[in-house]
Amino acid sequence: DTAVSQTPKYLVTQMGNDKSIKCEQNLGHDTMYWYKQDSKKFLKIMFSYNNKELIINETVPNRFSPKSPDKAHLNLHINSLELGDSAVYFCASSQHPGQSSGANVLTFGAGSRLTVL
Amino acid sequence: DAKTTQPPSMDCAEGRAANLPCNHSTISGNEYVYWYRQIHSQGPQYIIHGLKNNETNEMASLIITEDRKSSTLILPHATLRDTAVYYCIVRVLLRGSQGNLIFGKGTKLSVKP
Repeated sequence: DTAVSQTPKYLVTQMGNDKSIKCEQNLGHDTMYWYKQDSKKFLKIMFSYNNKELIINETVPNRFSPKSPDKAHLNLHINSLELGDSAVYFCASSQHPGQSSGANVLTFGAGSRLTVL
Repeated sequence: DAKTTQPPSMDCAEGRAANLPCNHSTISGNEYVYWYRQIHSQGPQYIIHGLKNNETNEMASLIITEDRKSSTLILPHATLRDTAVYYCIVRVLLRGSQGNLIFGKGTKLSVKP
């Protein structure tokens, strides 16, 4: 199936731990994103990468470090987890056809629910 | 980007058309209107987008008023599986900001049997 897949789907961990969430897309898209949905259900972009290059970094703490080994993968590593990091994290991808309106057509993954205790 | 206003919730009977309004009175000429939805516990799903002409695809129709200050997403025959939060997003295309979508609170559509 063509899709954006992210693992794990659920992650429960203690404060202070380091964890990673992996994301892969097989859509042939050039751009990948991480979005965060907090407990109030607001969705907000964290990062975007185009062909392994960081494009957007939205005031995210340095504890969050995205890694893009190739354009089909964008992993999110979080150091020293805090209670406030509890949220659902969504990976997404899109084509990057210059200024085409399709650049804002994103395909999202199913989400990874992170719970920090 | 222009701000959007949507009703917080709406109900629709199964099989009937669901008409979801969105107000974007401060929209500028180069801003597109995008619609996404999020079914419970799933990732957001793209539905449709347009600039000034009405658009239709296999999921929905998008009607944009002539002055572009408001739009309506139409699901022609709503099913129970269309129950979701629907987001209207207005976005300009700026180099380096592609894909940076601003999600508001959306409209929670409940389709009832």
